[in-house]
Amino acid sequence: QKGVEQNSGPLSVPEGAIASLNCTYSDRGSQSFFWYRQYSGKSPELIMSIYSNGDKEDGRFTAQLNKASQYVSLLIRDSQPSDSATYLCAGNSGGSNYKLTFGKGTLLTVNP
Amino acid sequence: ETGVTQTPRHLVMGMTNKKSLKCEQHLGHNAMYWYKQSAKKPLELMFVYNFKEQTENNSVPSRFSPECPNSSHLFLHLHTLQPEDSALYLCASSVSVPAAFGGELFFGEGSRLTVL
Repeated sequence: QKGVEQNSGPLSVPEGAIASLNCTYSDRGSQSFFWYRQYSGKSPELIMSIYSNGDKEDGRFTAQLNKASQYVSLLIRDSQPSDSATYLCAGNSGGSNYKLTFGKGTLLTVNP
Repeated sequence: ETGVTQTPRHLVMGMTNKKSLKCEQHLGHNAMYWYKQSAKKPLELMFVYNFKEQTENNSVPSRFSPECPNSSHLFLHLHTLQPEDSALYLCASSVSVPAAFGGELFFGEGSRLTVL
């Protein structure tokens, strides 16, 4: 069954720590991967996209992609309470570059 | 002016009612989407419109009827819904379909639907 699986969480980390969010996908045809952040009662917002194997860094966020292992991760360094949200992993599917398959999300809580 | 605006934000309807959800995007995008978000479930793609043409219907029941009169507006017409259709309905837009990388979706705040 094709899909995107995320570690279900919830994940709780202390302020200043590194939060690690993981995601695996089953569609080997997926080429593009995205991390969306969704605050409670709000809509998802894109925070990272990654298309090539390796790491991509943007400020405190680092996305990692390993296509051989079909694994995507998001690291948040120096976690802040404002990072507390649900993080959604998504990948394009079915050979389409617009049809995204989302994971269920991982709830992250950063404790002051 | 927010990028993607959805109305109403909350809707309660009976199973025999007919109602509509409205979405408007102010980003100059050409692709618009309806997603369904239920508790404990992944976001589900329902419909995709590209330059007003429907390019995706993800096996959605006919009690959901989309309409896209232009690239800035998207509607979801609802009739004879079931209680299990209660969910958050999210509208999104992107530059175009196909885009080089189509995952950069901009979401509206959603319409919370409750079917009694």
